[in-house]
Amino acid sequence: DGGITQSPKYLFRKEGQNVTLSCEQNLNHDAMYWYRQDPGQGLRLIYYSQIVNDFQKGDIAEGYSVSREKKESFPLTVTSAQKNPTAFYLCASSPLQGAGYGYTFGSGTRLTVV
Amino acid sequence: KNEVEQSPQNLTAQEGEFITINCSYSVGISALHWLQQHPGGGIVSLFMLSSGKKKHGRLIATINIQEKHSSLHITASHPRDSAVYICAVRPNTGNQFYFGTGTSLTVIP
Repeated sequence: DGGITQSPKYLFRKEGQNVTLSCEQNLNHDAMYWYRQDPGQGLRLIYYSQIVNDFQKGDIAEGYSVSREKKESFPLTVTSAQKNPTAFYLCASSPLQGAGYGYTFGSGTRLTVV
Repeated sequence: KNEVEQSPQNLTAQEGEFITINCSYSVGISALHWLQQHPGGGIVSLFMLSSGKKKHGRLIATINIQEKHSSLHITASHPRDSAVYICAVRPNTGNQFYFGTGTSLTVIP
C-alpha cells in the first residue's frame, strides 16, 4: 500500500543537540511538506519541496533544515538554533499540479527536548 | 492573522446526535480539505472539495464558494467519531494549504 512513513513516532533529545526526523513516501508525489503542530494552533509550514534538490522555506523555517536528495525522502533536521523544538511534527505529500489533489499525511513524530 | 477560522473550538455531543462543524476562510481558494486527527496524532483526509457537496457514509461536507464557508456534518454520531476535525484551504495562488486550529469533538455514549 502506498503511503507516508514517519519515524520515529516519539523522540527525546537533550537541549543543544541536533535531531533528524525521517519522512519517506512511496506515492510518487512530487511535493513534500513539513508542518509543526502546537497545542491550540493550526499546523504551520516549516519547509516544502516541489522537486528533488530544491526546497523552499515556509512560515517558521528558522532553526530547521531539510534536504531532498531523492523524490521519496524529505528529512527534517531540528537544529540547536530552534528555540522551542518540543512539538508534534507532521510530514505530508501531494501531487504537484491540479486543484483536485490534496495532501497525504504521515502519522507524525512527537519530539520532546529536555 | 489566520485565513481559516473554525467553530466551535470544542464540541461535546451525545451518541446519535447530528453534528455540524463550520469553517470560514478569507481568501479565494481552489480547494478545501476536511481532515480528521485522532489522539496519537495521525491525520486522515476525509474530503477535498472545490464546490457543492460530498458524502461518505455518515459524513457530509458542503462548501459555498461565494460565502467562503464550508460545513462538515456527522449524522448519527458515535463515540468513535471523537477526534479533532481540521479544515484546510488552498488559496488560488500557490500549492500549499492553510490550516484552521481544529474542532475537538467528543461523542459520549
